[in-house]
Amino acid sequence: QVQLQQSGPGLVKPSQTLSLTCAISGDSVSSNVAAWNWIRQSPSRGLEWLGRTYYRSKWYYDYAVSVKGRITISPDTSLNQFSLQLNSVTSEDAALYYCAREGFYFDNWGQGALVTVSS
Amino acid sequence: QAVLTQPSSLSASPGASASLTCTLRSGINVGSYTIYWYQQKPGSPPQYLLRYYSDSEKLQGSGVPSRFSGSKDASANAGILLISGLQSEDEADYYCMIWHRSASVFGTGTKVTVL
Repeated sequence: QVQLQQSGPGLVKPSQTLSLTCAISGDSVSSNVAAWNWIRQSPSRGLEWLGRTYYRSKWYYDYAVSVKGRITISPDTSLNQFSLQLNSVTSEDAALYYCAREGFYFDNWGQGALVTVSS
Repeated sequence: QAVLTQPSSLSASPGASASLTCTLRSGINVGSYTIYWYQQKPGSPPQYLLRYYSDSEKLQGSGVPSRFSGSKDASANAGILLISGLQSEDEADYYCMIWHRSASVFGTGTKVTVL
């Protein structure tokens, strides 16, 4: 079955870049039937979808308006993983971050990574 | 105004039915959207329950009991998750979701308490 393993620092300084990685087992980041998403959750903002990448003969990217301009989601086919980079973070970006596989719905989730924004 | 608004909490007795609403913002017509429902328990990511577009276009999650069902109320511009025969294990947070302009949008969430 599909498993998603998240990694990355739990503490980021304000104005710096948040970077997280989601390693995939049991599927391929280049799958033609799946998309790979980042979703975060905080008490103030609730569940918030950040963006996704997927491969359909070429790579596609969709990003939430709320973070567009600050976010990059990148697939890594050699390591079968995808990553999240969020620039210029503020306290508003402190949250529990999840990666998730999207088939017909979000069917597999990473374990979550708690990110704190503090100097 | 949030795109998807849900009541913050709902309490019901074991064995009762609970109807959770997900109201779409004015200008976004529920008839045009598939409503997804997720259940989240403390310490775990959300888990898919079902999605509902119409009675002929719906998809129950694998292993999700049939007492969870979806529908729409066009007059209220809302999606509905009905939980029949509430059980203590149904105590959780419930989120609706839609895809709107190639972006996923989650509702504000409803905390269900089984008294």
